[in-house]
Amino acid sequence: AQSVTQLDSHVSVSEGTPVLLRCNYSSSYSPSLFWYVQHPNKGLQLLLKYTSAATLVKGINGFEAEFKKSETSFHLTKPSAHMSDAAEYFCVVRYRRVQFYFGTGTSLTVIP
Amino acid sequence: NAGVMQNPRHLVRRRGQEARLRCSPMKGHSHVYWYRQLPEEGLKFMVYLQKENIIDESGMPKERFSAEFPKEGPSILRIQQVVRGDSAAYFCASSMGDGYGYTFGSGTRLTVV
Repeated sequence: AQSVTQLDSHVSVSEGTPVLLRCNYSSSYSPSLFWYVQHPNKGLQLLLKYTSAATLVKGINGFEAEFKKSETSFHLTKPSAHMSDAAEYFCVVRYRRVQFYFGTGTSLTVIP
Repeated sequence: NAGVMQNPRHLVRRRGQEARLRCSPMKGHSHVYWYRQLPEEGLKFMVYLQKENIIDESGMPKERFSAEFPKEGPSILRIQQVVRGDSAAYFCASSMGDGYGYTFGSGTRLTVV
Protein backbone atom coordinates (compact mmCIF):
# COMPACT_ATOMS: atom_id res chain seq x y z
CA ALA A 1 0.00 0.00 0.00
CA GLN A 2 1.08 3.50 -0.70
CA SER A 3 0.64 6.44 1.63
CA VAL A 4 2.16 9.76 2.48
CA THR A 5 2.22 11.43 5.88
CA GLN A 6 3.08 15.06 6.31
CA LEU A 7 3.91 15.38 9.96
CA ASP A 8 3.02 19.03 10.42
CA SER A 9 -0.13 20.68 9.17
CA HIS A 10 1.23 24.16 9.93
CA VAL A 11 4.79 25.48 10.15
CA SER A 12 5.77 29.04 11.02
CA VAL A 13 9.27 30.40 10.55
CA SER A 14 10.82 33.83 10.65
CA GLU A 15 12.10 35.32 7.43
CA GLY A 16 15.73 34.36 6.92
CA THR A 17 15.60 31.25 9.11
CA PRO A 18 15.70 27.64 7.87
CA VAL A 19 12.62 25.77 6.70
CA LEU A 20 11.96 22.10 7.40
CA LEU A 21 8.80 20.41 6.14
CA ARG A 22 8.59 16.77 7.09
CA CYS A 23 7.27 13.91 5.00
CA ASN A 24 7.23 10.17 5.54
CA TYR A 25 6.05 7.71 2.96
CA SER A 26 5.02 4.13 2.71
CA SER A 27 5.43 2.29 -0.56
CA SER A 28 5.60 -1.31 -1.62
CA TYR A 29 7.75 -0.32 -4.55
CA SER A 30 10.77 1.85 -5.13
CA PRO A 31 8.98 5.15 -4.97
CA SER A 32 9.08 8.27 -6.99
CA LEU A 33 8.63 11.20 -4.65
CA PHE A 34 7.72 14.80 -5.30
CA TRP A 35 7.15 18.06 -3.52
CA TYR A 36 4.59 20.47 -4.92
CA VAL A 37 3.76 23.99 -3.79
CA GLN A 38 0.39 25.67 -4.04
CA HIS A 39 0.07 29.40 -3.68
CA PRO A 40 -3.38 30.88 -3.04
CA ASN A 41 -5.61 30.64 -6.10
CA LYS A 42 -2.79 29.15 -8.11
CA GLY A 43 -2.19 25.71 -9.56
CA LEU A 44 0.22 23.23 -8.12
CA GLN A 45 3.83 23.82 -9.04
CA LEU A 46 6.50 21.16 -8.97
CA LEU A 47 9.35 22.01 -6.60
CA LEU A 48 11.45 18.90 -7.04
CA LYS A 49 11.30 15.16 -7.59
CA TYR A 50 13.21 12.05 -6.64
CA THR A 51 13.25 9.17 -9.11
CA SER A 52 16.03 6.85 -7.82
CA ALA A 53 18.97 8.95 -8.89
CA ALA A 54 20.85 11.12 -6.38
CA THR A 55 19.32 10.99 -2.90
CA LEU A 56 19.77 14.72 -2.37
CA VAL A 57 17.50 16.51 -4.80
CA LYS A 58 17.71 20.20 -5.54
CA GLY A 59 14.64 22.03 -6.67
CA ILE A 60 13.53 25.50 -7.60
CA ASN A 61 13.66 28.58 -5.36
CA GLY A 62 16.43 27.19 -3.19
CA PHE A 63 14.51 24.17 -1.92
CA GLU A 64 16.01 20.72 -1.62
CA ALA A 65 14.97 17.35 -0.24
CA GLU A 66 16.82 14.26 0.84
CA PHE A 67 15.53 10.76 0.23
CA LYS A 68 16.32 8.51 3.20
CA LYS A 69 15.23 4.99 2.53
CA SER A 70 16.11 3.73 6.02
CA GLU A 71 13.83 6.34 7.54
CA THR A 72 11.26 6.31 4.71
CA SER A 73 11.48 10.07 4.73
CA PHE A 74 11.65 12.82 2.13
CA HIS A 75 11.87 16.06 4.10
CA LEU A 76 11.90 19.40 2.31
CA THR A 77 14.38 22.06 3.44
CA LYS A 78 15.50 25.55 2.59
CA PRO A 79 18.35 27.37 4.33
CA SER A 80 16.66 30.75 4.49
CA ALA A 81 12.95 31.45 4.25
CA HIS A 82 11.60 34.25 2.11
CA MET A 83 8.22 35.91 2.43
CA SER A 84 7.26 34.56 -0.98
CA ASP A 85 7.67 31.00 0.32
CA ALA A 86 4.43 31.27 2.28
CA ALA A 87 2.17 28.67 0.68
CA GLU A 88 0.80 25.15 1.00
CA TYR A 89 3.28 22.35 0.37
CA PHE A 90 2.37 18.82 -0.67
CA CYS A 91 4.52 15.72 -0.47
CA VAL A 92 3.56 13.19 -3.13
CA VAL A 93 4.39 9.56 -3.84
CA ARG A 94 3.85 8.15 -7.28
CA TYR A 95 2.29 4.75 -7.64
CA ARG A 96 1.69 2.53 -10.64
CA ARG A 97 3.06 5.06 -13.09
CA VAL A 98 -0.03 7.14 -13.12
CA GLN A 99 -1.42 7.50 -9.64
CA PHE A 100 -0.14 10.08 -7.26
CA TYR A 101 -0.83 9.96 -3.56
CA PHE A 102 -0.76 13.37 -1.96
CA GLY A 103 -0.12 14.17 1.66
CA THR A 104 -2.62 16.41 3.43
CA GLY A 105 -0.37 19.40 3.02
CA THR A 106 1.72 21.67 5.25
CA SER A 107 0.85 25.34 5.42
CA LEU A 108 4.00 27.43 5.68
CA THR A 109 3.79 30.87 7.27
CA VAL A 110 6.77 33.20 7.05
CA ILE A 111 6.92 35.89 9.72
CA PRO A 112 8.60 39.15 8.77
CA ASN B 1 2.59 27.92 -24.02
CA ALA B 2 -0.49 28.59 -21.97
CA GLY B 3 -0.06 25.66 -19.62
CA VAL B 4 -2.95 23.56 -18.41
CA MET B 5 -6.15 25.56 -18.61
CA GLN B 6 -9.10 24.78 -16.41
CA ASN B 7 -12.43 26.50 -16.58
CA PRO B 8 -14.37 27.79 -14.99
CA ARG B 9 -12.21 28.87 -12.05
CA HIS B 10 -15.25 28.98 -9.81
CA LEU B 11 -18.52 27.15 -10.28
CA VAL B 12 -21.62 27.37 -8.14
CA ARG B 13 -24.37 24.81 -8.52
CA ARG B 14 -27.55 24.07 -6.63
CA ARG B 15 -28.11 20.59 -5.30
CA GLY B 16 -29.36 18.29 -8.04
CA GLN B 17 -27.84 20.25 -10.92
CA GLU B 18 -25.04 19.08 -13.16
CA ALA B 19 -21.49 20.39 -13.03
CA ARG B 20 -19.13 20.30 -16.00
CA LEU B 21 -15.48 21.01 -15.45
CA ARG B 22 -13.15 21.49 -18.38
CA CYS B 23 -9.45 20.88 -18.72
CA SER B 24 -7.34 21.76 -21.74
CA PRO B 25 -3.95 20.09 -21.46
CA MET B 26 -0.70 21.67 -22.43
CA LYS B 27 0.09 21.62 -26.12
CA GLY B 28 1.56 18.27 -27.03
CA HIS B 29 0.21 16.51 -23.92
CA SER B 30 -2.10 13.59 -24.54
CA HIS B 31 -2.43 12.35 -20.96
CA VAL B 32 -4.83 13.96 -18.50
CA TYR B 33 -5.36 13.31 -14.80
CA TRP B 34 -8.11 14.59 -12.54
CA TYR B 35 -7.76 15.12 -8.78
CA ARG B 36 -10.14 16.30 -6.09
CA GLN B 37 -9.08 18.34 -3.09
CA LEU B 38 -11.56 18.27 -0.27
CA PRO B 39 -11.32 20.75 2.61
CA GLU B 40 -8.69 19.68 5.16
CA GLU B 41 -7.59 16.81 2.92
CA GLY B 42 -4.90 16.24 0.38
CA LEU B 43 -5.52 15.73 -3.28
CA LYS B 44 -7.11 12.45 -4.24
CA PHE B 45 -6.59 10.81 -7.59
CA MET B 46 -9.79 10.36 -9.55
CA VAL B 47 -9.12 9.33 -13.14
CA TYR B 48 -6.43 9.07 -15.79
CA LEU B 49 -7.31 9.48 -19.44
CA GLN B 50 -5.59 9.43 -22.77
CA LYS B 51 -7.25 10.64 -25.92
CA GLU B 52 -10.59 8.85 -26.22
CA ASN B 53 -9.64 6.29 -23.56
CA ILE B 54 -10.05 5.96 -19.83
CA ILE B 55 -6.89 4.31 -18.55
CA ASP B 56 -7.49 4.26 -14.81
CA GLU B 57 -10.69 5.35 -13.08
CA SER B 58 -10.11 3.64 -9.77
CA GLY B 59 -10.48 6.88 -7.87
CA MET B 60 -13.82 7.88 -9.37
CA PRO B 61 -16.96 7.58 -7.28
CA LYS B 62 -19.13 4.82 -8.70
CA GLU B 63 -22.15 7.02 -9.31
CA ARG B 64 -22.80 10.46 -10.73
CA PHE B 65 -19.20 11.08 -11.83
CA SER B 66 -17.86 10.58 -15.33
CA ALA B 67 -14.93 11.80 -17.38
CA GLU B 68 -14.03 11.95 -21.01
CA PHE B 69 -11.16 13.16 -23.16
CA PRO B 70 -12.38 13.30 -26.73
CA LYS B 71 -10.21 13.33 -29.80
CA GLU B 72 -10.86 17.02 -30.20
CA GLY B 73 -11.42 19.45 -27.38
CA PRO B 74 -10.83 19.52 -23.67
CA SER B 75 -11.22 16.80 -21.11
CA ILE B 76 -14.52 17.04 -19.25
CA LEU B 77 -15.25 15.95 -15.70
CA ARG B 78 -18.99 15.69 -15.28
CA ILE B 79 -20.83 15.47 -11.99
CA GLN B 80 -24.53 14.77 -12.19
CA GLN B 81 -27.05 15.63 -9.48
CA VAL B 82 -24.48 17.39 -7.34
CA VAL B 83 -24.65 17.20 -3.56
CA ARG B 84 -23.08 19.40 -0.89
CA GLY B 85 -20.29 16.86 -0.40
CA ASP B 86 -19.13 17.44 -3.96
CA SER B 87 -17.98 20.94 -2.99
CA ALA B 88 -14.21 20.85 -3.50
CA ALA B 89 -11.38 22.02 -5.69
CA TYR B 90 -10.87 19.88 -8.75
CA PHE B 91 -7.46 19.87 -10.34
CA CYS B 92 -6.40 18.63 -13.71
CA ALA B 93 -2.86 17.70 -14.72
CA SER B 94 -1.42 16.76 -18.07
CA SER B 95 1.72 15.10 -19.32
CA MET B 96 3.30 13.78 -22.48
CA GLY B 97 3.25 10.32 -21.00
CA ASP B 98 4.96 8.06 -18.55
CA GLY B 99 8.32 9.33 -17.38
CA TYR B 100 7.58 12.92 -18.33
CA GLY B 101 6.72 15.77 -16.05
CA TYR B 102 3.22 16.63 -14.94
CA THR B 103 1.79 20.10 -15.14
CA PHE B 104 -1.19 21.06 -13.05
CA GLY B 105 -3.90 23.56 -13.81
CA SER B 106 -5.13 26.18 -11.37
CA GLY B 107 -8.16 24.16 -10.49
CA THR B 108 -11.92 24.64 -10.51
CA ARG B 109 -13.57 25.39 -7.21
CA LEU B 110 -17.01 23.87 -7.11
CA THR B 111 -19.47 25.08 -4.53
CA VAL B 112 -22.79 23.30 -4.14
CA VAL B 113 -25.46 25.35 -2.43
